[in-house]
Amino acid sequence: QSVLTQPPSVSAAPGQRVTISCSGSSSNIGNNYVSWYQQFPGTAPKRLIYDNNKRPSGIPDRFSGSKSGTSATLGITGLQTGDEADYYCGVWDSSLSAGVFGGGTKLSVL
Amino acid sequence: QVQLVQSGSELKKPGASVKVSCKASGYSFTWHSINWVRQAPGQGLEWMGWINTITGNPTYARGFTGRFVFSLDTSVSTAYLQIISLEADDTAVYYCARDRATIDFDYWGQGSLVTVSS
Repeated sequence: QSVLTQPPSVSAAPGQRVTISCSGSSSNIGNNYVSWYQQFPGTAPKRLIYDNNKRPSGIPDRFSGSKSGTSATLGITGLQTGDEADYYCGVWDSSLSAGVFGGGTKLSVL
Repeated sequence: QVQLVQSGSELKKPGASVKVSCKASGYSFTWHSINWVRQAPGQGLEWMGWINTITGNPTYARGFTGRFVFSLDTSVSTAYLQIISLEADDTAVYYCARDRATIDFDYWGQGSLVTVSS
């Protein structure tokens, strides 16, 4: 059971917008920066968002991050079939003194 | 460009040990800590801990104390993960990752599959 809760799966049609939630607590999301990672099968994760809402260079502005209270959200607009992947949120948990990841969300673009 | 290149897949018997390497290039090795992340088959990401590349001091997450050892060889910009007394449940892909800040991993190794089977 992960400290951070993500929906196991989300789906949407090409061109549509989807959001992936990551719910935590004051010891993690509430007081620390959130990162988001994209992982295709058989490959290493890739960072999409850091510091809650910043995009590294090379990440399209179709990807966005936000945080409110103890929840964070990854948004993807203009969905493409190539966006089908697993998405993970990650954050430091001050109570556990440990890094924690959400359980991951599988995105299907139907 | 920044790269983390890990050693290849390993097949080990229960009770054996394994050492995974993570060679960094394209940046000053001691400017960033190296973290280790485990991903069991079909499962999510699990943070194992990190090693301070300046002091060599390791920090282990709960559940990764005792049989897991992080180490460095700064002369070759390489971090190591050793797992002792392997168990079947250790079967997983192990990733090293450079952190820009706490649990913000900007570069990842390609992963090393460790399979434990008799």
